[in-house]
Amino acid sequence: KNQVEQSPQSLIILEGKNCTLQCNYTVSPFSNLRWYKQDTGRGPVSLTIMTFSENTKSNGRYTATLDADTKQSSLHITASQLSDSASYICVVYSSASKIIFGSGTRLSIRP
Amino acid sequence: GAGVSQSPSNKVTEKGKDVELRCDPISGHTALYWYRQRLGQGLEFLIYFQGNSAPDKSGLPSDRFSAERTGESVSTLTIQRTQQEDSAVYLCASSTSWTGTEAFFGQGTRLTVV
Repeated sequence: KNQVEQSPQSLIILEGKNCTLQCNYTVSPFSNLRWYKQDTGRGPVSLTIMTFSENTKSNGRYTATLDADTKQSSLHITASQLSDSASYICVVYSSASKIIFGSGTRLSIRP
Repeated sequence: GAGVSQSPSNKVTEKGKDVELRCDPISGHTALYWYRQRLGQGLEFLIYFQGNSAPDKSGLPSDRFSAERTGESVSTLTIQRTQQEDSAVYLCASSTSWTGTEAFFGQGTRLTVV
C-alpha cells in the first residue's frame, strides 16, 4: 500500500532554533518527493523537489535530504523565524500519476 | 489567470442541500486534482482528471460526490444531500502533466454544513 508517514505530528520550537522533520514512504513506483508548506487557511506551496538521484538540496534556510534506499526524507529548517509556523507536508509523486500526501507536521515557532 | 482559482472561498449550507464547488486551473495544465482536508488533518485524495482520459474517481467517499471537467478547463465538484461530515476545506490543484511535475494548489473552498 502506498503510504507517506511523517514525524513528529507537531513541534514547538523557539525562534532562532533549528529543527528537522522526518518523512518515511512506501510508494512505488517513485518519481520524486516534494516538501510543501501550508500556511493556515492557504493551499500548500512546494518548497523543494527531490528526485531519485539527489541526496540533498537547499532552498534558503530549508535543506531537504533523500535516502532512496531506506525511503526516508528529512526537511531541516535553520534559524527558524516566526513566519515558518505552518504545516509541512511530505508528498511523494508516483510515476503512475498518483500524488501521495503525508498527514503533515504542524510547526509552531515561539518568540 | 496566474494561479489556480477556486470559488466560492467559503460556503455555508444546510444539511441535505446540494453544493457545487468550482476550480479554474492554470491555463495549459492538463492534470487536475481535487482533495479534501478536514480540520487539523492531512489531504485526502478525491478525484483526478488528465486530459481527455477517464478520470480516476477512486477517492470519492460516496455516490453523493461527483465531479466534472470540460476538456482542460474548469472543473466542478458537486456534493449532493450534504452531511455534517462533509464539512472541510476542498482543495483543487493542477499540473502540466501526470509524470511527477509540481501540482499547484488553489486557496480552497471552506465548506460548512450546518
